[in-house]
Amino acid sequence: GQNIDQPTEMTATEGAIVQINCTYQTSGFNGLFWYQQHAGEAPTFLSYNVLDGLEEKGRFSSFLSRSKGYSYLLLKELQMKDSASYLCAVSVGGSGTYKYIFGTGTRLKVLA
Amino acid sequence: GAVVSQHPSWVICKSGTSVKIECRSLDFQATTMFWYRQFPKQSLMLMATSNEGSKATYEQGVEKDKFLINHASLTLSTLTVTSAHPEDSSFYICSARPGLADTQYFGPGTRLTVL
Repeated sequence: GQNIDQPTEMTATEGAIVQINCTYQTSGFNGLFWYQQHAGEAPTFLSYNVLDGLEEKGRFSSFLSRSKGYSYLLLKELQMKDSASYLCAVSVGGSGTYKYIFGTGTRLKVLA
Repeated sequence: GAVVSQHPSWVICKSGTSVKIECRSLDFQATTMFWYRQFPKQSLMLMATSNEGSKATYEQGVEKDKFLINHASLTLSTLTVTSAHPEDSSFYICSARPGLADTQYFGPGTRLTVL
């Protein structure tokens, strides 16, 4: 089966740092994606991890541990506009048959 | 680059009618397109994967006779919700994958409301 878990909701203060965790148990693994989604809109790509370790991109960083089935998204210097849902997704399947299983999603609320 | 469009962006229909949603890759050829459904305050749920010129592969629990998917060309896939009922009301999002890359580009989504 496919199981990808995230905390349902998180709240943080403007200017702070927040870490959103994602744990997964999937049949197969090619890589892990993080997306941001505002209400009523499609997800937008944030990061993609294939190998273990930390990938940094501006205020956002993503970490992956394949052996532990664990990833996190780190958001620094939080801004009000970061209030959104954050979705992790795992790529499974072979080279010509990739498909993407999404986690439960985390709604982040940034307070002034 | 990598733009995906969906049409319509929203639709309201009566119970029992069928609704067709189009998904187009505007500047690349999509070997694979994906259809997702998202209920309020929930995550995306993969409904089916479609490859150009072949039958769609449906996820467990998704009725293939109710959600008809056609991928007639490398730039167009359609999802038809047949005999729609209020419980089918949802946000439907498509995505497209170029070539063999492990990535997908999302359309803007279609809000379906069935009365």
